[in-house]
Amino acid sequence: NAGVTQTPKFQVLKTGQSMTLQCAQDMNHEYMSWYRQDPGMGLRLIHYSVGAGITDQGEVPNGYNVSRSTTEDFPLRLLSAAPSQTSVYFCASSYSRVKVSEQYFGPGTRLTVT
Amino acid sequence: GENVEQHPSTLSVQEGDSAVIKCTYSDSASNYFPWYKQELGKGPQLIIDIRSNVGEKKDQRIAVTLNKTAKHFSLHITETQPEDSAVYFCAASYNFNKFYFGSGTKLNVKP
Repeated sequence: NAGVTQTPKFQVLKTGQSMTLQCAQDMNHEYMSWYRQDPGMGLRLIHYSVGAGITDQGEVPNGYNVSRSTTEDFPLRLLSAAPSQTSVYFCASSYSRVKVSEQYFGPGTRLTVT
Repeated sequence: GENVEQHPSTLSVQEGDSAVIKCTYSDSASNYFPWYKQELGKGPQLIIDIRSNVGEKKDQRIAVTLNKTAKHFSLHITETQPEDSAVYFCAASYNFNKFYFGSGTKLNVKP
């Protein structure tokens, strides 16, 4: 299994540009989520999904869209990038949404918005 | 929403000593408390977790304690080794869907 994969690893955007961060998992996990990590602030939940076709907002959803058309993929879309979205983005997945199961994190995407 | 505070932000110990990281949470409904280790350039990795119906859990050199009344939980690492050097995060969740993370503790184990 490849686990949780994220592309790209690095990205530089200009203010106002849009882009999609890709996340995929091959473990047939039900639950997937996106976090952003900023210095001194830990990880903050952006959006999450409890199954194909079902998504919900996390702690900091503004400026981001998600969709979940398949179990494997959970892309994160930045609609109009802003410097405040400069961060490291992590995707995570876990087997079940209704009982305790380990969250597996991807390697991250470092995004810089100029 | 939930608020998780983590202390200290940095911790330096001598190899072989113990390290303790503490977290407090605000929402009494939180019932699951995982701890993650993050090495440089990598995503966080679960090292131990505890549910609210348990007061303590141990896995080799790592242990976690939970005090529901005081709303705090702690990570204890004994006999620290240089490879324990990393950033550690605590988190809290009340429905296994939304996780709230602490701000992280950078642990440095000096040989």
